[in-house]
Amino acid sequence: EDKVVQSPLSLVVHEGDTVTLNCSYEVTNFRSLLWYKQEKKAPTFLFMLTSSGIEKKSGRLSSILDKKELFSILNITATQTGDSAVYLCAVGGSSGGSNYKLTFGKGTLLTVNP
Amino acid sequence: KAGVTQTPRYLIKTRGQQVTLSCSPISGHRSVSWYQQTPGQGLQFLFEYFSETQRNKGNFPGRFSGRQFSNSRSEMNVSTLELGDSALYLCASSLRSGANTGELFFGEGSRLTVL
Repeated sequence: EDKVVQSPLSLVVHEGDTVTLNCSYEVTNFRSLLWYKQEKKAPTFLFMLTSSGIEKKSGRLSSILDKKELFSILNITATQTGDSAVYLCAVGGSSGGSNYKLTFGKGTLLTVNP
Repeated sequence: KAGVTQTPRYLIKTRGQQVTLSCSPISGHRSVSWYQQTPGQGLQFLFEYFSETQRNKGNFPGRFSGRQFSNSRSEMNVSTLELGDSALYLCASSLRSGANTGELFFGEGSRLTVL
C-alpha cells in the first residue's frame, strides 16, 4: 500500500525563523511529488517535483526531492504569521496500468507566532 | 477566471440517507478528482473522472460513486450514509489526467455531517 509520512506533525516557531518540513514516501511507480498549503479550506499548490536534486524555489519557499532516499523537504525562510497553515505533501504513483493516484500525507501544522 | 466551485458547502444528513455533491471545474479543465478529508485519515483519494469516464479509483466501498457530464461538471454520491462518512469532501480539477495531471486546483469543499 502506498504511504506518505510527514514530519513533524506540528511545529510552532517565531516570526523570522527558518523551518524545514519533511516528507518521506513509499509509492509504487513514483511519478511526482507535490506540496500544498491549506489554510482554512482549499489546498493551494506550491510545488511539483519530478527530478532528484533540482531545487524549486518561490520567494521564501523552496523544495527539493531525493528519489534515491525517497523523501522531500520544504524549506521556509524568514517565516511570517501568514505562513501559518497545514502543509500537505502528496505523491503520485501508478499501481498498475493507468491507475494513477495521489497519496497525501497527513500534513504538518505550522504555527508562526509574532 | 472562476475557480473550482463545490455545492453545497455544508449539509447535515442522518444515517441511512444518501447525498449528492456537485463540483464545477475551472473552465477548460477536463479532469475532476474527489477526495475525502478527515482529521484522522487526512486527504484520501476517492476517484477521478476525465472526459466523462472514471479513470482512477481509490479504496472506498461501492457506496461512493460519481459521474461526470459532458460539460466536465461532476457529481459524487454516497448512499446509505454512515457516521464515519462525516468529512470534508474536496473536489479538484486539472487540465490533464493520470500521471500527467500536474497541478490540482481545489475547491473549498462540501462539509458533510452525518448524525
